[in-house]
Amino acid sequence: GENVEQHPSTLSVQEGDSAVIKCTYSDSASNYFPWYKQELGKRPQLIIDIRSNVGEKKDQRIAVTLNKTAKHFSLHITETQPEDSAVYFCAARGTGTASKLTFGTGTRLQVTL
Amino acid sequence: GAVVSQHPSWVICKSGTSVKIECRSLDFQATTMFWYRQFPKQSLMLMATSNEGSKATYEQGVEKDKFLINHASLTLSTLTVTSAHPEDSSFYICRSIGAPNTEAFFGQGTRLTVV
Repeated sequence: GENVEQHPSTLSVQEGDSAVIKCTYSDSASNYFPWYKQELGKRPQLIIDIRSNVGEKKDQRIAVTLNKTAKHFSLHITETQPEDSAVYFCAARGTGTASKLTFGTGTRLQVTL
Repeated sequence: GAVVSQHPSWVICKSGTSVKIECRSLDFQATTMFWYRQFPKQSLMLMATSNEGSKATYEQGVEKDKFLINHASLTLSTLTVTSAHPEDSSFYICRSIGAPNTEAFFGQGTRLTVV
């Protein structure tokens, strides 16, 4: 089955700096890669996603890049703010929305003033 | 977006008792429901996948007789933790999909504490 690795496990940045979180996946058939933000005790929130036919996608301060050949994808957050502090999960999924979504191990992002 | 309502949001139960968690899709028909478990400071681990009217498919290592899943209607799926033990204490969350190739939605999650 799919295996998703995520690094780093914790990340501390100063407000205004950029944060980068990286993930690798094992199943070359995976073609959908969402990123979730989870605050303590809450459900994960989808913040951005990318499909395998696209190499990069941006939404305001958040961007995701995908290297299908190397089977890795990254989340980039620019101009970080304290409210960006949370746990971020990457995930990978095969064809079809009913396919399993495999999550990475999570990154705890702390944005300090 | 669509709403998946999960109840209860938290529950404390005694060891040996059973707890039922419900997920309702409020404005769409949930054809597929995924149930996840998340231990503190860990990732979401898929427990089982259920399709309306069918038996659930459990992931390796998940006891189907302990974690009973019912998906009898297109708007309701339940997870029952039977004979709960302290090691079952976790955050349980459902994720629901309606029509093919539509977005999936998480419930709010249930914090289960077994004492």
